[in-house]
Amino acid sequence: NAGVTQTPKFRILKIGQSMTLQCAQDMNHNYMYWYRQDPGMGLKLIYYSVGAGITDKGEVPNGYNVSRSTTEDFPLRLELAAPSQTSVYFCASSYSGTGGAGELFFGEGSRLTVL
Amino acid sequence: QKEVEQNSGPLSVPEGAIASLNCTYSDRVSQSFFWYRQYSGKSPELIMSIYSNGDKEDGRFTAQLNKASQYVSLLIRDSQPSDSATYLCAVNNDKIIFGKGTRLHILP
Repeated sequence: NAGVTQTPKFRILKIGQSMTLQCAQDMNHNYMYWYRQDPGMGLKLIYYSVGAGITDKGEVPNGYNVSRSTTEDFPLRLELAAPSQTSVYFCASSYSGTGGAGELFFGEGSRLTVL
Repeated sequence: QKEVEQNSGPLSVPEGAIASLNCTYSDRVSQSFFWYRQYSGKSPELIMSIYSNGDKEDGRFTAQLNKASQYVSLLIRDSQPSDSATYLCAVNNDKIIFGKGTRLHILP
């Protein structure tokens, strides 16, 4: 079991470029999440998905897009990168049970710098 | 209104003492609550989850939940230098939202 796998681990982008952060999980979890973490701060929810074909906005969705075509994969697309998107991005997944999502399993994070 | 509030710290506690971390949340329909520990440069890892009012103990860690007051706390007994980290409170109300985290420093 690989758990949650994120790629790339590091990336430098120029302002205005686009890119996709990949996230895959092999635990058959229904719920998947994308968070960003700025230095010294907590995690802010960008988008989440409760199952294949279903996505919803989190706290800070502007400038990002997601898709969930399969249970395993949840890519995050950055369009027209801006310096404000410099951050560490975490993908996470969880099972769904009574009361909704349970424990989050995190990937190792992707450190993105926009110059 | 911020959904999950935590004191950012840093909170300094002598080794062997009890560390007390607090969290409040705004959405009354929140159903489950989590404490994650995050070391610098690493991913968060789950320490405790709690779903009903009262206390839940796991080794040196105790989580406390008071839904009427919309308050959840984490106690760490016999604090060790390895407990120095940022502690993130998370609340599930169909999506999982985190607080800013409290930096804990255990003084040797």
